[in-house]
Amino acid sequence: AQSVTQPDIHITVSEGASLELRCNYSYGATPYLFWYVQSPGQGLQLLLKYFSGDTLVQGIKGFEAEFKRSQSSFNLRKPSVHWSDAAEYFCAVVRAAGNKLTFGGGTRVLVKP
Amino acid sequence: GAGVSQSPSNKVTEKGKDVELRCDPISGHTALYWYRQSLGQGLEFLIYFQGNSAPDKSGLPSDRFSAERTGGSVSTLTIQRTQQEDSAVYLCASSLGGGQDIQYFGAGTRLSVL
Repeated sequence: AQSVTQPDIHITVSEGASLELRCNYSYGATPYLFWYVQSPGQGLQLLLKYFSGDTLVQGIKGFEAEFKRSQSSFNLRKPSVHWSDAAEYFCAVVRAAGNKLTFGGGTRVLVKP
Repeated sequence: GAGVSQSPSNKVTEKGKDVELRCDPISGHTALYWYRQSLGQGLEFLIYFQGNSAPDKSGLPSDRFSAERTGGSVSTLTIQRTQQEDSAVYLCASSLGGGQDIQYFGAGTRLSVL
């Protein structure tokens, strides 16, 4: 079945440390890939997207993600987290020729001072 | 407005009542989506409108749920005879077109069914 998996439900990281959030997808053809962030009581904000081309994608707020076709992964990274990065992060896909977003279960990030 | 606007931001209702949730998409966006975010099910697609085409209703969980989009702009999601399991945050998104176009989300309506 087509799915998006975020293996880590919670991650705690110290301020200034690096962060990596994992995302794996299971689709026949490479879908369009997205990372969204949701702060408490807020809607979803797009961090970055991958459609094709360069497999390392830069986004807003200092985030980047790397697409690895061989691993069906699209992991999100940030070299140095800030307290304001505490939020829930969602990996999402739109299958080729599709429209709707299919989301992973989300990873909640807690930032320790 | 500059972004997707949803109203009300919070709605408390009694089991069995009908509720209407409203979404104002970004001006000029032809595609509009409704999603539901709940503790048990995560984020799930409900319905998709694109221009004058028939909507994709494949995500609606039951026939108590319906949605319409008037004049290609504002959309209303209606839940009839609400149940406690309908308690969730209902998110609306719009995009310039469909497909891989970026979806911009509103802040959502938090529905609580007592």
